[in-house]
Amino acid sequence: KAGVTQTPRYLIKTRGQQVTLSCSPISGHRSVSWYQQTPGQGLQFLFEYFSETQRNKGNFPGRFSGRQFSNSRSEMNVSTLELGDSALYLCASSLAFSRTTIRNSPLHFGNGTRLTVT
Amino acid sequence: SQELEQSPQSLIVQEGKNLTINCTSSKTLYGLYWYKQKYGEGLIFLMMLQKGGEEKSHEKITAKLDEKKQQSSLHITASQPSHAGIYLCGADTGNQFYFGTGTSLTVIP
Repeated sequence: KAGVTQTPRYLIKTRGQQVTLSCSPISGHRSVSWYQQTPGQGLQFLFEYFSETQRNKGNFPGRFSGRQFSNSRSEMNVSTLELGDSALYLCASSLAFSRTTIRNSPLHFGNGTRLTVT
Repeated sequence: SQELEQSPQSLIVQEGKNLTINCTSSKTLYGLYWYKQKYGEGLIFLMMLQKGGEEKSHEKITAKLDEKKQQSSLHITASQPSHAGIYLCGADTGNQFYFGTGTSLTVIP
């Protein structure tokens, strides 16, 4: 079974530009979540999608957005890039999502997209 | 606010030594997950604990969740260079998934 696939692996952008990152979940997984990882802040939750609907959102500005398609693939977009957006962006998929129900399936992560903003 | 506190932040051990990493939450956890990360790569799922007092082992790694479901430990027996990396605990609080700050493990041959 193929794992979570993220593309591209590396990106270099300049301030003010926008960027789109892609994530293909494990086959059969309908939940996709995104995380930002930086040395200073660690892993921070961006948002989670399930069945094409955003189920939860972390504390990030509106410049960060995402969407999920009917085949569960997800994209994340960051507009008006800032230097502080440089980070490793990780996507994870799982069978279930937890809102009022207890999650009983772990997150499976891709290898991430390394974004550098200059 | 940081939901999960991990300790220590870093560990340097000689190959063959045992070590323990701790993860503490101020809230009762629905589930506690352990992951390992190589620098710049994704997280690899190690184990999931859900029940108070639960203990799981895989190869030389054992994870435990305390009875109150607020603290977990990850124990590595007879460490090897392949164990090197960053270990993160993660928890599902019902609204979202939180991660600890990570413990960087270096194993000296």
